[in-house]
Amino acid sequence: GAVVSQHPSRVICKSGTSVKIECRSLDFQATTMFWYRQFPKKSLMLMATSNEGSKATYEQGVEKDKFLINHASLTLSTLTVTSAHPEDSSFYICSASSGAGYEQYFGPGTRLTVT
Amino acid sequence: AQSVTQLDSHVSVSEGTPVLLRCNYSSSYSPSLFWYVQHPNKGLQLLLKYTSAATLVKGINGFEAEFKKSETSFHLTKPSAHMSDAAEYFCVVSGDNFNKFYFGSGTKLNVKP
Repeated sequence: GAVVSQHPSRVICKSGTSVKIECRSLDFQATTMFWYRQFPKKSLMLMATSNEGSKATYEQGVEKDKFLINHASLTLSTLTVTSAHPEDSSFYICSASSGAGYEQYFGPGTRLTVT
Repeated sequence: AQSVTQLDSHVSVSEGTPVLLRCNYSSSYSPSLFWYVQHPNKGLQLLLKYTSAATLVKGINGFEAEFKKSETSFHLTKPSAHMSDAAEYFCVVSGDNFNKFYFGSGTKLNVKP
């Protein structure tokens, strides 16, 4: 149980384009989903927290207009990187939780490369 | 505020010898603590978690960790390293009600044959 998937696993896009990453909880309802970014050989940095049906809460320093997060259902959250630039290249990982008091389950990650 | 310090960025051991990965935490609440492992280009796998029950926590693949409040530590150990243990390990403290996870900087474990 508690499986979280991400799609795509890898994506290459050209500078200036937008790319959408999906995060799905496959066998439970995720009232809260989290998006992290991991730079090469670095730790995970929390980007934002999203609760189903409401706006995401972004961490300090994360541009909300650049990293659009939608959590429209209890099993799906999406992260859209708008007008991507090479510096947005990174490993993006989502996690999902059944809500406050419940632990997070992590997806396998999405490797984004912007050329 | 919550934070985690992993004291070693790299640890190298020989196969069959003990593993010790050190983690110290700071928390405003009674913390929940986790250890995750990440193999290259893979997602995070939960090794074990402490959530205010027994202070000695046993996890998967022979790993265990002991919560020591007086030392604010949650070190990860394994009696005998295996080649497949080579990976990056993250110590994590959660905020109140698991609301946010705060990751340590990671420790890369190298296992020599």
